[in-house]
Amino acid sequence: GDSVTQMEGPVTLSEEAFLTINCTYTATGYPSLFWYVQYPGEGLQLLLKATKADDKGSNKGFEATYRKETTSFHLEKGSVQVSDSAVYFCALTKDSSYKLIFGSGTRLLVRP
Amino acid sequence: EAGVTQFPSHSVIEKGQTVTLRCDPISGHDNLYWYRRVMGKEIKFLLHFVKESKQDESGMPNNRFLAERTGGTYSTLKVQPAELEDSGVYFCASSQDLRYTGELFFGEGSRLTVL
Repeated sequence: GDSVTQMEGPVTLSEEAFLTINCTYTATGYPSLFWYVQYPGEGLQLLLKATKADDKGSNKGFEATYRKETTSFHLEKGSVQVSDSAVYFCALTKDSSYKLIFGSGTRLLVRP
Repeated sequence: EAGVTQFPSHSVIEKGQTVTLRCDPISGHDNLYWYRRVMGKEIKFLLHFVKESKQDESGMPNNRFLAERTGGTYSTLKVQPAELEDSGVYFCASSQDLRYTGELFFGEGSRLTVL
């Protein structure tokens, strides 16, 4: 069945470091891909999305490119801040279905 | 505008007891979803309401779980009797449109611990 695999955390970085959180997927057809983020004490929020191959989603300095050839959607940020500390979830849907398929989440801790 | 609210935020119960989780969606959102995250693993879909009707409950693990949405407003998820493997975080989400456009709004989650 369809699935999403994320790198295990926690990921610990110093402020202003470069961030990559790997995400790969297994799915038939043409899924839409998402990154959600959960900050401490808050609900999950949509961070960015991409709906077709080679699309790049971006928001708040984060970027991810939909790579169909490698079935990947890695999250990147050039310079992280302490406020980026959160749990990041990669997810997919197919055919605009409401059923999100999530990865296991990656906790990011950014130290001053 | 108020977001999706869930309570309790954390519930600790003994195996065999009953727990009821509540979700208040964003006002005007007809679509309401329940998801859960067990043991720090992936978040999995449980079910979907459109107003008061269950559109899809294919993710419900077994008949110990009962979800309701009377009047199409708030929803409850009851676990009876609770088992150890039910421990996890239960997320509620709501949306305005049936076709998913990436705009699911999630609550903070209700953490359930079964001892």
